[in-house]
Amino acid sequence: AQKITQTQPGMFVQEKEAVTLDCTYDTSDQSYGLFWYKQPSSGEMIFLIYQGSYDEQNATEGRYSLNFQKARKSANLVISASQLGDSAMYFCAMREGFNAGGTSYGKLTFGQGTILTVHP
Amino acid sequence: DSGVTQTPKHLITATGQRVTLRCSPRSGDLSVYWYQQSLDQGLQFLIHYYNGEERAKGNILERFSAQQFPDLHSELNLSSLELGDSALYFCASSVAGGSYGELFFGEGSRLTVL
Repeated sequence: AQKITQTQPGMFVQEKEAVTLDCTYDTSDQSYGLFWYKQPSSGEMIFLIYQGSYDEQNATEGRYSLNFQKARKSANLVISASQLGDSAMYFCAMREGFNAGGTSYGKLTFGQGTILTVHP
Repeated sequence: DSGVTQTPKHLITATGQRVTLRCSPRSGDLSVYWYQQSLDQGLQFLIHYYNGEERAKGNILERFSAQQFPDLHSELNLSSLELGDSALYFCASSVAGGSYGELFFGEGSRLTVL
């Protein structure tokens, strides 16, 4: 079974509008982390936002926010006021295997990604 | 700039050859992860080293091997290369002991096997 599912292969949004990129995950761990990365056409992986499984508040970082619904096992990324530079591939990822101290050495498992295109 | 350095950035070689990809993690990071990104497989975890010791293996072929040296840099060795090994290979590092868990990625090494 897929641990991270991104059901939208591609999304289009008008500049200055908001867009939501979907992500669902599957884990039996109680403690885990959810991440979003951006990969522009140049190829590098850019960290955007993080949500811990025990965090009660949804994470926000500037124009990025994470809509975390634990019971539904979803961690959707919301980008507000889209910009042309937001056009890229976006990956949702999960890190399991946290040890008792709350630190994690575990790998990230990635979804298949969503290509976002922002139109002027 | 993530602080993770990968060399070479681009590599073109022939089938059957062997290559070595190098990664220098961020200063202070003890964990190094290797990932392979191809069009058909997406981002696949290969292997994880922590402070010189192998911690976890993913979908790494037997033709591939890696190690982390005492100065914490890591190398990924790919041998008997096949056309299907053409991919973008990422190295990532993370803070040991931090609860945040973010991985910092290098810019990748793009391997083309002809």
